[in-house]
Amino acid sequence: QSVLTQPPSASGTPGQRVTISCSGSTSNIGSNGVNWYQQLPGTAPKLLIYTNNQRPSGVPDRFSGSKSGTSASLAISGLQSEDEADYYCAPWDDSLNGPIFGGGTKLTVL
Amino acid sequence: QVQLVQSGAEVKKPGASVKVSCKASGYIFTSYAMHWVRQAPGQRLEWMGWIDAGNGNTKYAQKFQGRVTITRDTSASTVYMELSSLRSEDTAVYYCARANNWKPRYLDYWGQGTLVTVSS
Repeated sequence: QSVLTQPPSASGTPGQRVTISCSGSTSNIGSNGVNWYQQLPGTAPKLLIYTNNQRPSGVPDRFSGSKSGTSASLAISGLQSEDEADYYCAPWDDSLNGPIFGGGTKLTVL
Repeated sequence: QVQLVQSGAEVKKPGASVKVSCKASGYIFTSYAMHWVRQAPGQRLEWMGWIDAGNGNTKYAQKFQGRVTITRDTSASTVYMELSSLRSEDTAVYYCARANNWKPRYLDYWGQGTLVTVSS
């Protein structure tokens, strides 16, 4: 099974810009859009970015996504304390015929 | 508004089965798929399978093939996930999540999660 790789942790101070990377393969990121989910402590995941760079209604434009080849990244600008959460990339995987999740990145706002 | 409400926490013994429900509201139930994703303590999210709520077709992750069954009751707008032959490693929070039946696929609404604890 394919593996998606994310850094286990990231951090920044309020107002800063941080990026979280996600590395995959041709069967997932390379051939499908990338989705990102935010999981606040003790809650269910929430869709943050879909199809590489689209924001669902209600998600602030401080959050943005991009994709290049078999890698993707999530950027958060104007960092706020409420952004402290786990972030997961999750493209569809053609060999799995389902979504595949990265290991998650724990974002700490210092 | 779209809501997915799951059944309550369960405690099961090794070898038993568990059936978790997910009641949908706020949209046309049969027009979407429902996925199940689990998260063991401190672990990544793990996809288990999905069902097309319209025609009942299912697809399961190979890891769970033979142990998981996803069904739906269209009259109750409810999807069920049953996991059998439980072992301690199945202790996790189980989530249902709605998705399109077509690409691009993404899980746009999630249930609140159901904690399943497997312990002797």
